[in-house]
Amino acid sequence: RKEVEQDPGPFNVPEGATVAFNCTYSNSASQSFFWYRQDCRKEPKLLMSVYSSGNEDGRFTAQLNRASQYISLLIRDSKLSDSATYLCVVNVMIKAAGNKLTFGGGTRVLVKP
Amino acid sequence: GAGVSQSPSNKVTEKGKDVELRCDPISGHTALYWYRQRLGQGLEFLIYFQGNSAPDKSGLPSDRFSAERTGESVSTLTIQRTQQEDSAVYLCASSVDSGGRFYEQYFGPGTRLTVT
Repeated sequence: RKEVEQDPGPFNVPEGATVAFNCTYSNSASQSFFWYRQDCRKEPKLLMSVYSSGNEDGRFTAQLNRASQYISLLIRDSKLSDSATYLCVVNVMIKAAGNKLTFGGGTRVLVKP
Repeated sequence: GAGVSQSPSNKVTEKGKDVELRCDPISGHTALYWYRQRLGQGLEFLIYFQGNSAPDKSGLPSDRFSAERTGESVSTLTIQRTQQEDSAVYLCASSVDSGGRFYEQYFGPGTRLTVT
């Protein structure tokens, strides 16, 4: 089983609609969680961190379910510019001052007019 | 300010040749990571440097892969006797990453390696 698993998609979303997808992780010692965004042939960029209580950043809402070991991302009022691959990232502290990120394979989202 | 830079941006090499990829992290970032991303795949962790600590090499796929870092600056990833399965984008990231707290990793644009 992969450490971090995502539905690869694509999720075809009409402009203005809401889309949500999950990411599951296998290491219960995982400490922090993130969503990165990667555009085609570009490097990943941090979209948002995911906090235990859930957090919102504009049209984006992230949630964490530690009991079931998954995180989710919801995008409201989708824009054409939201088309990208969304990478779920899980962090495990590997030593006193170090971190190891494990990336999921990504969920591709295509927003269409 | 300047972000993470990588060179070359593209590299085409023949099977069996050695290649060297370079990463210049953001100034002041103590942590540096190398990842590999095959076409249509997620990021695969290769190696992690943190300050003067011994690097975490647990992600290197074989002994053909090695990496060095000079202090808290430039890093080079070397692939010896390249194979076709080494073809991928090699991404470098750096972060402040100190005190046990996670800081955002900033990625370079990557080096696209094609082994023919």
